[in-house]
Amino acid sequence: GQNIDQPTEMTATEGAIVQINCTYQTSGFNGLFWYQQHAGEAPTFLSYNVLDGLEEKGRFSSFLSRSKGYSYLLLKELQMKDSASYLCAVGSSASKIIFGSGTRLSIRP
Amino acid sequence: DAGVTQSPTHLIKTRGQQVTLRCSPKSGHDTVSWYQQALGQGPQFIFQYYEEEERQRGNFPDRFSGHQFPNYSSELNVNALLLGDSALYLCASSQGQGNLYSYGYTFGSGTRLTVV
Repeated sequence: GQNIDQPTEMTATEGAIVQINCTYQTSGFNGLFWYQQHAGEAPTFLSYNVLDGLEEKGRFSSFLSRSKGYSYLLLKELQMKDSASYLCAVGSSASKIIFGSGTRLSIRP
Repeated sequence: DAGVTQSPTHLIKTRGQQVTLRCSPKSGHDTVSWYQQALGQGPQFIFQYYEEEERQRGNFPDRFSGHQFPNYSSELNVNALLLGDSALYLCASSQGQGNLYSYGYTFGSGTRLTVV
């Protein structure tokens, strides 16, 4: 079966750090993605991990542990514009991506 | 370089009607995937087209069908619309099969379908 779990909602303070966790169980694995989606807009690509470890890209970092079926997205120096939904997604086959339900992140001043 | 374009942006239909949504992939992409996103949920995979054939399909009834044209553009058709079909329909394009590396999919802005 396919199952991707992430918290439904999180709140954090401007300038702080937040970590969004994701666990997955899928019948295949071809990498883990994080997407950002602002309300009413299309998802936009943030990161891709296919090997274990941490990938850093500016204020955003993503971590993967394939043996644990676990990933997290770390957002540093939070800004108000980071208020959005963050989608954890798994490449479950060579060309198909399965999405979790998303984590709605609210940033307070 | 145009990204993924979808039309129309918004649509209102009555229960029982049929609807066709359209998608043009990003230049250089030849694979089109369709997703349904209900409010507050993540995108749910409907199906994927490559070389004008349906290659993969999610858990959606046969009321959902599609097509891909020689220029790689695609259509999603939904017959006998139900209230529960109200959602944002997203089209995503990518290149080839087995090539999710680096950037995964490029998404269009979606079509907001409301069934009344």
